[in-house]
Amino acid sequence: DIQMTQSPASLSASVGDRVIITCRASQSIHTYVNWYQQKPGKAPKLLIFASYSLQSGVPSRFSGSGSGTDFTLTISSLQSEDFATYCCQQIYSIPWTFGQGTKVEIK
Amino acid sequence: QLQLQESGPGLVKPSETLSLTCTVSGGSISINTDYWGWIRQPPGKGLEWIGSVYYSGDTYYNPSFKSRVTISVDTSKNQFSLKLRFVTAADTAVYYCARRTYYYDTSGHQGWYFDLWGRGTLVTVSS
Repeated sequence: DIQMTQSPASLSASVGDRVIITCRASQSIHTYVNWYQQKPGKAPKLLIFASYSLQSGVPSRFSGSGSGTDFTLTISSLQSEDFATYCCQQIYSIPWTFGQGTKVEIK
Repeated sequence: QLQLQESGPGLVKPSETLSLTCTVSGGSISINTDYWGWIRQPPGKGLEWIGSVYYSGDTYYNPSFKSRVTISVDTSKNQFSLKLRFVTAADTAVYYCARRTYYYDTSGHQGWYFDLWGRGTLVTVSS
């Protein structure tokens, strides 16, 4: 199975901060990475697909990058509604696996 | 607007079978571009893909579950279902159903994502 390792596991940030979350795959997965946002008690929401493509309706402050084994999700200016947990997913090979998540908390 | 809703028992005894159904409303489950899937999240842990089904009945599973899981589809009811046999406490989780939709990237390669999810249902395995 391809392991997806996210860092950090959690972070504290303030509104307006730039936040960067990284995800490392245990082998090359080209750009087959999706990113999701999850709020407590809610279903995950797709933010980014194909490493860098913004899902329709997602604010442009979210962006993704990377290929091969290293990927990043960037929130350019953190808003109050962005405090949540973010996780990456690889769709390169079965079983499709997710990272353990990065919890973004209010500083 | 397409919506997904999970239903089924919230408590299952160890060694028994967990059975959940996902009802798709606001659209047809028989869309040739979409697969439908089950994903779970144990308390305090990350997401885990269980398996996916096409409206034709074609399925594929996470090998970690393959010997215990069956996912099926009922197009007449616009539903798909999950059965997980011989459950243990480790199967306690929030179970989500979701739609899998594909895309083509700038190089023409096909990928996919889960773009529509149910709200999830907590299933506890306990005697």
